[in-house]
This record gives sequence, C-alpha cells and structure tokens, in this order.
Amino acid sequence: NAGVMQNPRHLVRRRGQEARLRCSPMKGHSHVYWYRQLPEEGLKFMVYLQKENIIDESGMPKERFSAEFPKEGPSILRIQQVVRGDSAAYFCASSLRDRDRSSGNTIYFGEGSWLTVV
Amino acid sequence: AQKVTQAQTEISVVEKEDVTLDCVYETRDTTYYLFWYKQPPSGELVFLIRRNSFDEQNEISGRYSWNFQKSTSSFNFTITASQVVDSAVYFCALSEYGNNRLAFGKGNQVVVIP
Repeated sequence: NAGVMQNPRHLVRRRGQEARLRCSPMKGHSHVYWYRQLPEEGLKFMVYLQKENIIDESGMPKERFSAEFPKEGPSILRIQQVVRGDSAAYFCASSLRDRDRSSGNTIYFGEGSWLTVV
Repeated sequence: AQKVTQAQTEISVVEKEDVTLDCVYETRDTTYYLFWYKQPPSGELVFLIRRNSFDEQNEISGRYSWNFQKSTSSFNFTITASQVVDSAVYFCALSEYGNNRLAFGKGNQVVVIP
C-alpha cells in the first residue's frame, strides 16, 4: 500500500517567489492535513481539508498561504511571496474519517517537503 | 485546549540500555486519542501507536511499550534494550474527539551510543 506521497521532497525558492507543495493521501483516505515544523516551534497544525472543502484552517497564517484539495488530483499547499521565515518542513497527513469510537482516526504522515527560502 | 508536554529534550543512552520518554497531556474532552510518532534523521514521521482514552490497557510491541495512566494524564513510552537505529526524535501527540487536529509535544531527541 502506498503511503502518503509528498513532492517535492526539497524545494529552494528565492524571496518573493511562490512555493507549491503537493500531497496525495493514502489510498482510500479522504481527509488531508498539513502541518509545519519550524526549528524552534515544533510541529504545528495548519489546515484540514476534505475533497473540495476546507474544514479547519485555524492554523493557517492569514496571508500568503492557501490550501486546496480538489475533486481530482493531489492536495496543494501554496505559499505566495515566500520569506525566509517560511523555511521549514511541511508535512502532509491523511486519515479515514471514522466516527467509530473503537478505531478513532489514525493519522499517517508523508515524508515531508523541506522548503528553503534564500 | 489540548496540550502535550514532553519535558526531556535530549536523552543519551548506551546501546542495550532502556529509555523511557515521558508524555503529559491536557484536555477537557472525555474522549481523545494519544499518539506516538518517530522522526528518524531522514526526516519522515513514522506512526508508532494510537491509544483511545477509554482503553487504558498498556501495550507492548517488540522492544516498544507504552504505559497509559489516565489518573496522571500521562502516556509514557519505553524502548527496551535500545539500538542505534532507535536514534530519532520521538513525538507524543493528542487529538480530541471533536476534531482531527493533532497537538504535538516538542519531542524527545534520543541518541543511542554504540
């Protein structure tokens, strides 16, 4: 079974450019999450999406960041006009949505995309 | 609000020693899920275990074991007979039933010295 697939694994952008990070969830998973890992802050939730819907974006910066999960294709995290502070590892995760108490929601992560802004 | 505390930042052990990683959590929900993830030097996040709040049974998987104590809000992780391949950062995380957000602790850097 293929896991959560992220690309690119490493991305270098100059200040002011755009960064696009892609994520394909595990087969059968319809829920996607993005997390950011900054050196001094640890892993932080950014956004939770289902197909064509943003469910929870409470962790997204107000400007320059956007995410989508279209009906067809991977989820995209887009960062416009990148700044040095955007340099971080961005992790995508996916899960089944299962309200069954006995199984809950196990969230599986991809290998991460490392963004470096120069 | 959900919160996870991993007090020990870096732990060094000699190979074959046991190491225990502490995780203390805070939540107002009565139903929640606790997780441990491993982040080896290559950077990926590897799922290790999920525990439901209504299931306090401890679990053992090979050299890994977990001790869930609801009374002290702790979900500690022990690696028995550590090996160099266990060198990684280990994260404890909490998810409340009402949402799918994971709140992570700051992680424990485990260094196993051969």
